[in-house]
Amino acid sequence: EAGVAQSPRYKIIEKRQSVAFWCNPISGHATLYWYQQILGQGPKLLIQFQNNGVVDDSQLPKDRFSAERLKGVDSTLKIQPAKLEDSAVYLCASSSPRLTGSYEQYFGPGTRLTVT
Amino acid sequence: GQNIDQPTEMTATEGAIVQINCTYQTSGFNGLFWYQQHAGEAPTFLSYNVLDGLEEKGRFSSFLSRSKGYSYLLLKELQMKDSASYLCAVRLRGGATNKLIFGTGTLLAVQP
Repeated sequence: EAGVAQSPRYKIIEKRQSVAFWCNPISGHATLYWYQQILGQGPKLLIQFQNNGVVDDSQLPKDRFSAERLKGVDSTLKIQPAKLEDSAVYLCASSSPRLTGSYEQYFGPGTRLTVT
Repeated sequence: GQNIDQPTEMTATEGAIVQINCTYQTSGFNGLFWYQQHAGEAPTFLSYNVLDGLEEKGRFSSFLSRSKGYSYLLLKELQMKDSASYLCAVRLRGGATNKLIFGTGTLLAVQP
């Protein structure tokens, strides 16, 4: 079974530029998560989708971050404009207790963003 | 508020046993995960506790006490490949289903 796919793996941009990350969850997983992990810290949830609807975006900086999951499958996270403090790894995860019998979240390899 | 505490770093010797503690204070509790994360890689699932007690899985065991807001991960017969960050995460009750709050992680260094 294929895991969670993310691209790109690495991205370097200058501050005030925009960037987009893509995630394709495990097939059939209804719930998709985007996390921000700053070096030396645990992942912080940015946004959680259930199918194509947002169920939690309380920690998403909405003035600069946006995310969508239009068809309930893959998702895009965008930052515009980027700030230096956005330098982090952006992790995508998916889960489906109905399919897997578990509440485990399956993580993708992440996108490492460096803002200079 | 939500608060999860873990030691920042630990060092142990190959072949030994190490216990990584996690304490939590959250507005709701619906289970606790332990994930392993090697440098530059994605977190991978180790264990999930929802009831009090010890869950054993090979060299790894996880313990939960809900009344004390406390969990630990026990790693036996340490191997060099166990050098990684270990993340404690609480699954919250209420609100968005399956929302996790992560601790900062414990960086374990296994020495020969």
